[in-house]
Amino acid sequence: DAGVTQSPTHLIKTRGQQVTLRCSPKSGHDTVSWYQQALGQGPQFIFQYYEEEERQRGNFPDRFSGHQFPNYSSELNVNALLLGDSALYLCASSKGPGSPLHFGNGTRLTVT
Amino acid sequence: AQSVTQLDSQVPVFEEAPVELRCNYSSSVSVYLFWYVQYPNQGLQLLLKYLSGSTLVESINGFEAEFNKSQTSFHLRKPSVHISDTAEYFCAVSPLTTNDYKLSFGAGTTVTVRA
Repeated sequence: DAGVTQSPTHLIKTRGQQVTLRCSPKSGHDTVSWYQQALGQGPQFIFQYYEEEERQRGNFPDRFSGHQFPNYSSELNVNALLLGDSALYLCASSKGPGSPLHFGNGTRLTVT
Repeated sequence: AQSVTQLDSQVPVFEEAPVELRCNYSSSVSVYLFWYVQYPNQGLQLLLKYLSGSTLVESINGFEAEFNKSQTSFHLRKPSVHISDTAEYFCAVSPLTTNDYKLSFGAGTTVTVRA
């Protein structure tokens, strides 16, 4: 039974570019949440997707957007990258919005 | 809004010694409480959680945490650590509010176990 899978594992981008990160939830899960973990800090909530809609959003600018597909997989898009966007991006899935989260291993994004 | 403070950023400890990781939180509503562990180059794994009932919760690998409502704390303890417990530990809270499911994390405590 595959857990939460994220791709790519590592990514290097230049300031101003755009990036798309992908997440496949654990089998049986229908809800996907995204978190940003900067170096030396705890994860910060970006948003949550359920039934293909953004259900809840954290304190992140509109440059951060997402999508959930009918198969429950999800994408995180970041436009106009800044150096400060360098972080580990974690995807977590759950069986419903209020259920325990299962985290993937993350995508390490470096912006130069 | 919720906030979480982990009082120790790094905790070095010898193998078979006890360890305590301190966590305090602030919230205007009641919360669920969690401890997550993150091993190098991996995502977060749920260690234990407090939802309701007994204020002392235990994990399968010997960790325990006690919810103290009056002190708004949820400290994590283990009576005897192993080398394999070397990891980063995060305390987190989630509000008991309908349609608000986000986790708010502390900054983490790095535990290094030495032989």
